[in-house]
Amino acid sequence: ETGVTQTPRHLVMGMTNKKSLKCEQHLGHNAMYWYKQSAKKPLELMFVYSLEERVENNSVPSRFSPECPNSSHLFLHLHTLQPEDSALYLCASSQDLTGHGSGNTIYFGEGSWLTVV
Amino acid sequence: AQKVTQAQTEISVVEKEDVTLDCVYETRDTTYYLFWYKQPPSGELVFLIRRNSFDEQNEISGRYSWNFQKSTSSFNFTITASQVVDSAVYFCALSGFTGGGNKLTFGTGTQLKVEL
Repeated sequence: ETGVTQTPRHLVMGMTNKKSLKCEQHLGHNAMYWYKQSAKKPLELMFVYSLEERVENNSVPSRFSPECPNSSHLFLHLHTLQPEDSALYLCASSQDLTGHGSGNTIYFGEGSWLTVV
Repeated sequence: AQKVTQAQTEISVVEKEDVTLDCVYETRDTTYYLFWYKQPPSGELVFLIRRNSFDEQNEISGRYSWNFQKSTSSFNFTITASQVVDSAVYFCALSGFTGGGNKLTFGTGTQLKVEL
């Protein structure tokens, strides 16, 4: 059983819809991440949160809006997406951002498969 | 800049064969971590191993073994006596401190197919 859970697992949405992806980690970690995985491309880091503060936004379009209400939950709000945004969105967490040893390991959820039609 | 290269896009083997997945990395950091993750069709990235740049000792875990060669900037992964359940995409990743923080740079993955 994974320590990082994501819902929904599958989502189909129209280009004018507003939806949200949810992530919850049960590992007591302080850092959380959103990654995007498109076909035939390396995983792309989208957002990084540490202690509920956004510390990185990798030039992600504003139609993706993250929210981290507490250290255990992370959301990705989706609005007016494009078909090219269809991908697997992976949430992840780690003990912290710069820790050495085991704190450096990033654990992933099962991902949310998003299809934009 | 950091870079991870997995030159093997897809590998097919017959069950019980040994298979090695290659990973070559580039980084200017002197302290860094290397990872392998397994991604089955369900999508989840399963953590397999983390190795820090100061520890070149090879590691074995059951049928899995890892060979870290700093001189050639490689961190190869071998599965001994492969099984159908090993079929997945395997990603090699690098985490350094250039740019700050705990950010993984992934390779493009190697699709491993193990057939009966």
